[in-house]
Amino acid sequence: DAGVIQSPRHEVTEMGQEVTLRCKLISGHNSLFWYRQTMMRGLELLIYFNNNVPIDDSGMPEDRFSAKMPNASFSTLKIQPSEPRDSAVYFCASSLGRVHEQYFGPGTRLTVT
Amino acid sequence: DQQVKQNSPSLSVQEGRISILNCDYTNSMFDYFLWYKKYPAEGPTFLISISSIKDKNEDGRFTVFLNKSAKHLSLHIVPSQPGDSAVYFCAASAFGGANNLFFGTGTRLTVIP
Repeated sequence: DAGVIQSPRHEVTEMGQEVTLRCKLISGHNSLFWYRQTMMRGLELLIYFNNNVPIDDSGMPEDRFSAKMPNASFSTLKIQPSEPRDSAVYFCASSLGRVHEQYFGPGTRLTVT
Repeated sequence: DQQVKQNSPSLSVQEGRISILNCDYTNSMFDYFLWYKKYPAEGPTFLISISSIKDKNEDGRFTVFLNKSAKHLSLHIVPSQPGDSAVYFCAASAFGGANNLFFGTGTRLTVIP
């Protein structure tokens, strides 16, 4: 069975541009998590969904960030407009039931110049 | 403010010796703790966990120790192997896992052949 799939794997964009990161959950999983990894803060939870409903978005940095789950198996994280400080690796993870057993995707490395 | 701290950004150990990775936390509501392992260009993968009702959990070469009074946990790898070289993240959750995972900043372990 395929794991969590993220696209693109690498994204380089200019400041001010819109960026959309994509994530496909493991089939049958019902929770979806978006994380951002930086050297200074490690892995930070941005938002998580349960059964397509956003449960906690307190980690979303500001209004420039938005996340959606248009269906049970797919999610997008959008940054508009992007800024250089958004440069990081963004991971999504999915789980079934217990929060602990999260399965991570390979990540998207975002560089904003 | 980081609720989960890994104060050693890196650790080097000779093959065959013991690796000890440390983690401290500040939130007394945390009751479940996990270690994740991350290779370059991959997402973190779950390694081992421990509930606050225990002080030790062992899985093969990996043992996690929990000292609740000191709000400290550690991961022991014995014997260390070159394939263990990776970044190790400590994570914690509250309320039996019904809440978010809080991650530390990671420790990069290098096992020298």
